Amino acid sequence: DVKVTQSSRYLVKRTGEKVFLECVQDMDHENMFWYRQDPGLGLRLIYFSYDVKMKEKGDIPEGYSVSREKKERFSLILESASTNQTSMYLCASSLGGPQETQYFGPGTRLLVL
Amino acid sequence: AQTVTQSQPEMSVQEAETVTLSCTYDTSESDYYLFWYKQPPSRQMILVIRQEAYKQQNATENRFSVNFQKAAKSFSLKISDSQLGDAAMYFCAWSSGNTPLVFGKGTRLSVIA
Repeated sequence: DVKVTQSSRYLVKRTGEKVFLECVQDMDHENMFWYRQDPGLGLRLIYFSYDVKMKEKGDIPEGYSVSREKKERFSLILESASTNQTSMYLCASSLGGPQETQYFGPGTRLLVL
Repeated sequence: AQTVTQSQPEMSVQEAETVTLSCTYDTSESDYYLFWYKQPPSRQMILVIRQEAYKQQNATENRFSVNFQKAAKSFSLKISDSQLGDAAMYFCAWSSGNTPLVFGKGTRLSVIA
């Protein structure tokens, strides 16, 4: 079975802090994705990566950056956390191609005070 | 831009009954894929069912089936013999070769015993 893990289930940070959210997948998937999920808004794509060292902006990249130094790991960075970044963050991975299933991690619920 | 619309924020169904969740989408592409994902409370998002746009036959997975109407750009999910474990958020999603997954805002399904 594909396993996607995220470094924290719950995280509380202060405004202005730099925040790192880590995601690791164990199935040698080429593609990895970061979403945020907010009530009534569904899932919105922040960044994605189709290969190591490669990244593409999604629909809401402002205030975020990413890093993919190794194929299995995709990190989301909040350079200076703000209260409007309080949300659930979901990581996903998939094989190449739009027809492929995305496998999701359990999510990180981030609260920025 | 591609959009996916789920017009029912919440639905409920009696155990053992059938329920249909609606989804419409907007695209000018002819080759694409449609998905339904399920997110149970406090659990990871998983794929329920997938449909290739070039296939006329509706996809079926056990108690889950879709009604795919390409001309109408409609992709509804039917759950037969509903079970308590079907209670979840359901997300409709669309993708193509040029675009990563676009999600709808979700439908929360409650199952009444």
